[in-house]
Amino acid sequence: DIQLTQSPSTLSASVGDRVTITCRASQRISSWLAWYQQKPGKAPKLLIYRVSSLESGVPSRFSGSGYGTEFTLTISSLQPDDFATYYCQQYNSFSYTFGQGTKLETK
Amino acid sequence: EVQLVESGGGLVQPGGSLRLSCAASGFSFSSYWMHWVRQDPGKGLVWVSRINSDGSSISYADSVKGRFTISRDNAKNTLYVQMNSLRAEDTAVYFCAREGSAWSFDSWGQGTLVTVSS
Repeated sequence: DIQLTQSPSTLSASVGDRVTITCRASQRISSWLAWYQQKPGKAPKLLIYRVSSLESGVPSRFSGSGYGTEFTLTISSLQPDDFATYYCQQYNSFSYTFGQGTKLETK
Repeated sequence: EVQLVESGGGLVQPGGSLRLSCAASGFSFSSYWMHWVRQDPGKGLVWVSRINSDGSSISYADSVKGRFTISRDNAKNTLYVQMNSLRAEDTAVYFCAREGSAWSFDSWGQGTLVTVSS
């Protein structure tokens, strides 16, 4: 199975900062890479699919990029509502895996 | 509005069984692949199982293969998972999720907590 490793595990930032979260795959994956935001006690929310496609209703400050084994989620200007945990997710050969998560906290 | 509502969670002893349900509304349930995803308390997300739109194709994570059975009733707009031989490590919040574009999960239920403990 393909493993996804996110870095950092915790990220401290301030409102207005530009932040980047990295997701590295244990082997080359196709474009089936998505990003989710989760707040405590809530279900995950889809932000990005197919590496860089923005889900409907998601603010344009969120963007995704990457290729092969390294992918990134970028928030261009952090807003108070963005402090949450973020997960990447991939699909390959009838199996789906998530990264371990990156907690974005207030500096 | 898409809605997914899980039910059936609770406390069960090791070795016991439980069936979770996920009632869907606000979309054409029979057209979508559906999933179960779980989250250990305070931990990350783990994909559990997937069923295609008509129930003819199913897959499982290795950790639940042979113990869990996913199914759906398109007439009732409901997704199920039958969980047998439960272990302490199956303790988690179980979410049902709809598969959207490019193998992502575009809608999620609120989750139901399963606790396996004696």
